[in-house]
Amino acid sequence: DAGVTQSPTHLIKTRGQQVTLRCSPISGHKSVSWYQQVLGQGPQFIFQYYEKEERGRGNFPDRFSARQFPNYSSELNVNALLLGDSALYLCASSLDGPGNTIYFGEGSWLTVV
Amino acid sequence: EDQVTQSPEALRLQEGESSSLNCSYTVSGLRGLFWYRQDPGKGPEFLFTLYSAGEEKEKERLKATLTKKESFLHITAPKPEDSATYLCAVPLSNFGNEKLTFGTGTRLTIIP
Repeated sequence: DAGVTQSPTHLIKTRGQQVTLRCSPISGHKSVSWYQQVLGQGPQFIFQYYEKEERGRGNFPDRFSARQFPNYSSELNVNALLLGDSALYLCASSLDGPGNTIYFGEGSWLTVV
Repeated sequence: EDQVTQSPEALRLQEGESSSLNCSYTVSGLRGLFWYRQDPGKGPEFLFTLYSAGEEKEKERLKATLTKKESFLHITAPKPEDSATYLCAVPLSNFGNEKLTFGTGTRLTIIP
């Protein structure tokens, strides 16, 4: 069975540009969340979506936005990129409800120059 | 405020030398504690979920235990392929399981 898939795996952007990252959850999982991981730190929660509705948002500026599609895939958008946005962006999926395991994809490496 | 602290930051062991990694947490109403393994440049790989004090789970050379304030990941007779960063995480209060607070991880290196 396919796990959580993310694209692209690596990308380089210039300050001020916009980026879109994509995620396909594990089949049957309706919940998708996004995390940012900078080097040497643990992942930081950005968003969670369930059934196309935003369920939660972490402490990130409005330059970060996301959406979930009817097939439960998701996109994360970041506008007006800053050097500090350089990080590994992780998508995770799970079945809804407490006690369910959260599975992560391999991530998208974003470098802002 | 929910907090997760892991120690040590880095640990170097000889192959076969057993040790433990620590994860201490402060959260109101624990709804689970998760352990993940992360290889360089990869996403976290799920290892264990623990829900109540006294619970233990094992997988190959790893055993995770949970008390009311901390969790330990015991590694017995490690091999070089166990080298990775080990992350623990707890769900944020007032949110569902999908919103995890992570520690900064323990970077484990096993020397052949």
